Amino acid sequence: GAVVSQHPSWVICKSGTSVKIECRSLDFQATTMFWYRQFPKQSLMLMATSNEGSKATYEQGVEKDKFLINHASLTLSTLTVTSAHPEDSSFYICSASPFRYADGYTFGSGTRLTVV
Amino acid sequence: QQPVQSPQAVILREGEDAVINCSSSKALYSVHWYRQKHGEAPVFLMILLKGGEQKGHEKISASFNEKKQQSSLYLTASQLSYSGTYFCGTEGGGSYIPTFGRGTSLIVHP
Repeated sequence: GAVVSQHPSWVICKSGTSVKIECRSLDFQATTMFWYRQFPKQSLMLMATSNEGSKATYEQGVEKDKFLINHASLTLSTLTVTSAHPEDSSFYICSASPFRYADGYTFGSGTRLTVV
Repeated sequence: QQPVQSPQAVILREGEDAVINCSSSKALYSVHWYRQKHGEAPVFLMILLKGGEQKGHEKISASFNEKKQQSSLYLTASQLSYSGTYFCGTEGGGSYIPTFGRGTSLIVHP
């Protein structure tokens, strides 16, 4: 089945620095990728939708300048958390639109970001 | 708008059955079900499309009643490996981007 590889699995960074999270579709081309944020014991909150070659569409309340999303190729989307602060600490997950709709959305393994 | 899942939590013994419900206030095109283990990404279980689908795999099955805008996930003869948080994701109301419920925590004890 479709595989989405997300790196890193976890990252600890200092307040004020930037962190980049990568998501790659390994065996298919993902024209659309989604970025989610998940707080402990809560649901997946959609942050933005990225389409290859175009600007990402951000959900209401998500700061575009803080969460930079780039989808430069059909197999790679990146999320950069700029000037990270402790309140940005969370579990970030990407997912790719299905190659076959019946296969459902494939999620990356997630990145646990801790800002100290 | 986020679908509503019930119950919030279920505690079972191995071999018992469970039902998790998902309902939406908007007309749905599809319902997805995922299971997430602690600290891991959600794993796709199944998708149901409008038309009154029911489907299953081994001892996990689901139904979709588009008229009621509801879906139910049935876990039969639960196993320890079924423990996790179950999310439904719905597409509809003009959007083909899934919106996820708050999740149902399922704990299966030996």
